[in-house]
Amino acid sequence: KQEVTQIPAALSVPEGENLVLNCSFTDSAIYNLQWFRQDPGKGLTSLLLIQSSQREQTSGRLNASLDKSSGRSTLYIAASQPGDSATYLCAVRTPGTASKLTFGTGTRLQVTL
Amino acid sequence: GAVVSQHPSWVICKSGTSVKIECRSLDFQATTMFWYRQFPKQSLMLMATSNEGSKATYEQGVEKDKFLINHASLTLSTLTVTSAHPEDSSFYICSATGLAASTDTQYFGPGTRLTVL
Repeated sequence: KQEVTQIPAALSVPEGENLVLNCSFTDSAIYNLQWFRQDPGKGLTSLLLIQSSQREQTSGRLNASLDKSSGRSTLYIAASQPGDSATYLCAVRTPGTASKLTFGTGTRLQVTL
Repeated sequence: GAVVSQHPSWVICKSGTSVKIECRSLDFQATTMFWYRQFPKQSLMLMATSNEGSKATYEQGVEKDKFLINHASLTLSTLTVTSAHPEDSSFYICSATGLAASTDTQYFGPGTRLTVL
């Protein structure tokens, strides 16, 4: 059974800092991995999707990397802003599971002024 | 881009009543919809997967008679929480994937906050 873990569970940084969020998964046979953002009491916004054959994806100040063999992904946020404050979730899609996603435990990020 | 809506955004009900939550894909045909629940400060847990025109597939531990799912059309799925109790209070989120949308991506609704008194 696939299990997804995110470290740290919570993080507080001053504005302008670069930061890294970590995601690990137990079954390396994944189809793809996705990073989401969730604001309090809201749904999910997809940030980046990395296929199993890819090593990284970039969107603006966000860069996600994937090391499938070691079961790890990182989300790098450059020059953090208060508006980046949210919970970040990673999710993996495992082959043969009819598009089902297994979500990580999330990292709550607070960017302070 | 693909948009998924949910209605209502929040609902408060008395214990023992039933509550229906709607999930709609607004600009694409959703062949598959997923229902998740999320407790405070916890991650999303998949409850069930529904394909248009067929019975939903429930995850282990989810009572299918309590959480009724109907995916009657390619743009609408409903989740009915029957005989709701306070422990059913949670944040319910749906997602959809399907035609005219990237099959690699699930598009998520904004969620429904259910509070059972």
